[in-house]
Amino acid sequence: ETGVTQSPTHLIKTRGQQVTLRCSSQSGHNTVSWYQQALGQGPQFIFQYYREEENGRGNFPPRFSGLQFPNYSSELNVNALELDDSALYLCASSLSGASGPGGDEQFFGPGTRLTVL
Amino acid sequence: AQSVTQPDIHITVSEGASLELRCNYSYGATPYLFWYVQSPGQGLQLLLKYFSGDTLVQGIKGFEAEFKRSQSSFNLRKPSVHWSDAAEYFCAVAPRGGYNKLIFGAGTRLAVHP
Repeated sequence: ETGVTQSPTHLIKTRGQQVTLRCSSQSGHNTVSWYQQALGQGPQFIFQYYREEENGRGNFPPRFSGLQFPNYSSELNVNALELDDSALYLCASSLSGASGPGGDEQFFGPGTRLTVL
Repeated sequence: AQSVTQPDIHITVSEGASLELRCNYSYGATPYLFWYVQSPGQGLQLLLKYFSGDTLVQGIKGFEAEFKRSQSSFNLRKPSVHWSDAAEYFCAVAPRGGYNKLIFGAGTRLAVHP
């Protein structure tokens, strides 16, 4: 069984640029959540995708957007990068039942370290 | 507002000593409760979770946690710490029903002395 994978591992961008981070969910999982973990802090929820639709969003501006594909992999896109976007971006996948996500165990990938200069 | 507080930023214990990491939450109703561990360069690994029932929950790696509704707490314990337990520990909550948004505390970094 393949776990959650993320690419790239590390990324350096400059202010104003755009970035795309990728996540492959664990086999059989249909829900993907993205989190931002700034240095010395706990992860913060960005948004979740369930059955290819955004299914909940945290307190992040619209320049943070995402996609989920039919194979349940996902992308996180960030436009107009700011210095404060420097963080570890974590992807988590889970298997949600017919009634939707709720308390399902989330399995985390190793993250993508984004540095904005 | 929903929040999770981990009062201890850093804790240092000797190998073989007991450990308790504190977690308090502020939430409208009893949420789902979790403890995760993060080692350098690794993603988050789930140690244990509480959904309902017995308030003492057993997890992996010899960890346990106790849910106390009256104190809005979910403290993590281990009777004897191993050097390999050195890592960052996060307490998290998620709402019952609706989407599966985890709210994390700021974490407690555990150092283990030989």
